[in-house]
Amino acid sequence: GAVVSQHPSRVICKSGTSVKIECRSLDFQATTMFWYRQFPKQSLMLMATSNEGSKATYEQGVEKDKFLINHASLTLSTLTVTSAHPEDSSFYICSASSTANQPQHFGDGTRLSIL
Amino acid sequence: DAKTTQPNSMESNEEEPVHLPCNHSTISGTDYIHWYRQLPSQGPEYVIHGLTSNVNNRMASLAIAEDRKSSTLILHRATLRDAAVYYCIPHGRGAQKLVFGQGTRLTINP
Repeated sequence: GAVVSQHPSRVICKSGTSVKIECRSLDFQATTMFWYRQFPKQSLMLMATSNEGSKATYEQGVEKDKFLINHASLTLSTLTVTSAHPEDSSFYICSASSTANQPQHFGDGTRLSIL
Repeated sequence: DAKTTQPNSMESNEEEPVHLPCNHSTISGTDYIHWYRQLPSQGPEYVIHGLTSNVNNRMASLAIAEDRKSSTLILHRATLRDAAVYYCIPHGRGAQKLVFGQGTRLTINP
């Protein structure tokens, strides 16, 4: 079945570092991918919609200059957390589907810890 | 987006059926009802979806009320691996983004 691969699975880094997370659709093309963030004991919060070949659409309250999204191909979207701080520590998850009416497939998430 | 109401938590025993309810009284006529689940430290996974008729697949069954204001996810024979947070999400045809509520945390006792 359709698989979404997310890398890395875990990152620990110092405050002020920029961190890039990759999301790949392995056996299908995805014109749209989604990025979520999940804090402990909470539900997933949609951060942005990543559109291949165009700018991402950010949800209200999400800083586009802080969370840079690039969707340069039909199988790869990246999320870069720029100048990360401890409050950016969270579980970041991406998803994609092959068509608009198909179920979403999720990556296994990236646990980001900023010291 | 249609609002959903699910119990915060439920508990069941291994090898017994589990019925997970969801109220979605403001669902629009064209919204599908999707269910996803999230195992600990993993991304969510798709379980099942339906529009009006009851649906079955290898993972679960979905029973949808006639007025579509509620639905029930049925795990016929729960295993320990079914322990997860289950999310019920109304999802419009053609719409892509999923809006997650708080879900139901299901605990399975051995």
